[in-house]
Amino acid sequence: KAGVTQTPRYLIKTRGQQVTLSCSPISGHRSVSWYQQTPGQGLQFLFEYFSETQRNKGNFPGRFSGRQFSNSRSEMNVSTLELGDSALYLCASSLMGGSVEQYFGPGTRLTVT
Amino acid sequence: AQSVSQHNHHVILSEAASLELGCNYSYGGTVNLFWYVQYPGQHLQLLLKYFSGDPLVKGIKGFEAEFIKSKFSFNLRKPSVQWSDTAEYFCAVKGGGSYIPTFGRGTSLIVHP
Repeated sequence: KAGVTQTPRYLIKTRGQQVTLSCSPISGHRSVSWYQQTPGQGLQFLFEYFSETQRNKGNFPGRFSGRQFSNSRSEMNVSTLELGDSALYLCASSLMGGSVEQYFGPGTRLTVT
Repeated sequence: AQSVSQHNHHVILSEAASLELGCNYSYGGTVNLFWYVQYPGQHLQLLLKYFSGDPLVKGIKGFEAEFIKSKFSFNLRKPSVQWSDTAEYFCAVKGGGSYIPTFGRGTSLIVHP
């Protein structure tokens, strides 16, 4: 069974630009959660999507948004990038949602210059 | 809001030494508890989980954790570590009134051969 895949794996953007990250969950999983991982803040929850609906949202500004498609693939968008958005963005999928037991992807390393 | 504390940020051990990593959470009630491991260059993997029942949970690779409700703790243990256990370990808590999982800052474990 294929694991969670994320594309791209590495990304360099300039401040003010916007970026879209993609996540394909494990086959059959309907929930996708996104996290931001930084050395200073650790892993912070961004949002969770289940059956194309956002179910939970963390404490991030509106520049961070996401969506989920009917095949459960999810995208995360960050607009007007700031230097502080440099981080590893992790996607996790789970079967039932509610972030109960999650399987993580390798992450997308975003660097904002 | 839920908070998770991992008191040991960096742990250095020799092979065959015993390991105990602390994890405490702040908010009571019904909780789901997790330990994740991130080996160098790899993605986060679930090590073990507690939902209910026996408070002593056995995970993969010889790890175990004990849920002590009165102490709001879920400490990770291994009787004899190996060089291959070198990794970052994260405790996570879901519940206590929140559907959003909260992660600890992580503990970096280095095992010397």
